Amino acid sequence: GNSVTQMEGPVTLSEEAFLTINCTYTATGYPSLFWYVQYPGEGLQLLLKATKADDKGSNKGFEATYRKETTSFHLEKGSVQVSDSAVYFCALSEGTGGFKTIFGAGTRLFVKA
Amino acid sequence: KAGVTQTPRYLIKTRGQQVTLSCSPISGHRSVSWYQQTPGQGLQFLFEYFSETQRNKGNFPGRFSGRQFSNSRSEMNVSTLELGDSALYLCASSPTAGGKADTQYFGPGTRLTVL
Repeated sequence: GNSVTQMEGPVTLSEEAFLTINCTYTATGYPSLFWYVQYPGEGLQLLLKATKADDKGSNKGFEATYRKETTSFHLEKGSVQVSDSAVYFCALSEGTGGFKTIFGAGTRLFVKA
Repeated sequence: KAGVTQTPRYLIKTRGQQVTLSCSPISGHRSVSWYQQTPGQGLQFLFEYFSETQRNKGNFPGRFSGRQFSNSRSEMNVSTLELGDSALYLCASSPTAGGKADTQYFGPGTRLTVL
C-alpha cells in the first residue's frame, strides 16, 4: 500500500541555518505530495504541495521538489527562524473518489535564537 | 471566513464509555474528513464524508463511526472506549469533491483522554 517515510526528529538548528527534512514515498499511482506544518496547540496547515513529477512547491521560503525517479519530496529552507519551530508532516494523496491522505510520522523542528 | 471548528477541545472519559465529537467545516465546504493523531501511530485516516455519504474509510474497528448532516457538520462517535483511543482527533474540510491535488483545511482538534 501507499506510505510516507520522513526523517526522525527532533531536528535542532540555530537561527539562519539551512534546513532539510527528508521525505520519501511509496505509491502505486501518481499521487500529489504535500508538506503540512503543525504549531503547538493547533491543527495542521498546508505549507506547500506539488501535483506532478518535477513540480516545485514553495511558500514562506520553504521549497520541495517532486522527484519521481527517487520517490522523494524533501523540504528545504535556506534560513530558518525561531518562528519556524513546529512539527512538519509529509503527506501524499491519490485522491480518486475523495480524500484519504497518508501522512508521514512528522519531524519536530526546534530553532534556537 | 471562520475556520474549521471542533468541539469540545478537550475531553476526559473512562474506559467503556462512549464519546461524540463534533466538527463544523468552513462555510460552503462539503467534504469532511477525520484523522486520529497519536505519538505512537502518527496521523491515521478514519473516514471521509461528502454530501452526507461516507466515501472512504480507514482501518479502524467498528467502534469508530461517523455521520454528516445536511448542513455539512459532522460528528464522530467512539463506543466502548479503550485506553488506546486517547488521541488528538482532527477534522478537515474541503470545498471540493476530493481530487488528488485538492487542499484540506484542518481544525484545531479535540484532545480525548481515556482513563
